[in-house]
Amino acid sequence: DQQVKQNSPSLSVQEGRISILNCDYTNSMFDYFLWYKKYPAEGPTFLISISSIKDKNEDGRFTVFLNKSAKHLSLHIVPSQPGDSAVYFCAASRLGGGADGLTFGKGTHLIIQP
Amino acid sequence: DAGITQSPRHKVTETGTPVTLRCHQTENHRYMYWYRQDPGHGLRLIHYSYGVKDTDKGEVSDGYSVSRSKTEDFLLTLESATSSQTSVYFCAISEERGTTGELFFGEGSRLTVL
Repeated sequence: DQQVKQNSPSLSVQEGRISILNCDYTNSMFDYFLWYKKYPAEGPTFLISISSIKDKNEDGRFTVFLNKSAKHLSLHIVPSQPGDSAVYFCAASRLGGGADGLTFGKGTHLIIQP
Repeated sequence: DAGITQSPRHKVTETGTPVTLRCHQTENHRYMYWYRQDPGHGLRLIHYSYGVKDTDKGEVSDGYSVSRSKTEDFLLTLESATSSQTSVYFCAISEERGTTGELFFGEGSRLTVL
């Protein structure tokens, strides 16, 4: 039973346009959400996060939106750049739930076309 | 960058042989994790540790064991490797719970079981 779902395995976007990556979750106990970026042959790196008490968090070109009632979050990248081509993982955690790490989605491979 | 070193980075072994992967951190973080990454599955938690000699199972722990005798080292052992354990293994660390839940990842260990 997948608790964090990324239903788009890949996404192709033209350079300069907006990239929108989506993520859905099923566990109501999740109260913190994170996005990680991964290049080939490297470990995932933290990109941006959002607490469940907020609906938006912005950091430069990256904005994460959270719709708690729909159990849905999205990552917006504006404008998209060639270096943004990577696999993006959505992840969730329970802050008060112990030490059991993050639950990840399957990832979305973002390809930025020149 | 978080001080996390995984070894070996690449290993090819045969079915039935034991394999140990090592994760070494210099951050003195209490929590350590082992994840595996497979196409179509994203990142899945194998085992985690919340202190020296304190470990617990994750989502996909069958066929794996771990040990943590020192704060800085977390070992993942495949007692008898199988082809289904061919994967990329990532170690991660985090600070105390109650913060953002953010994990810092190592660069990964690619294991091939023939």
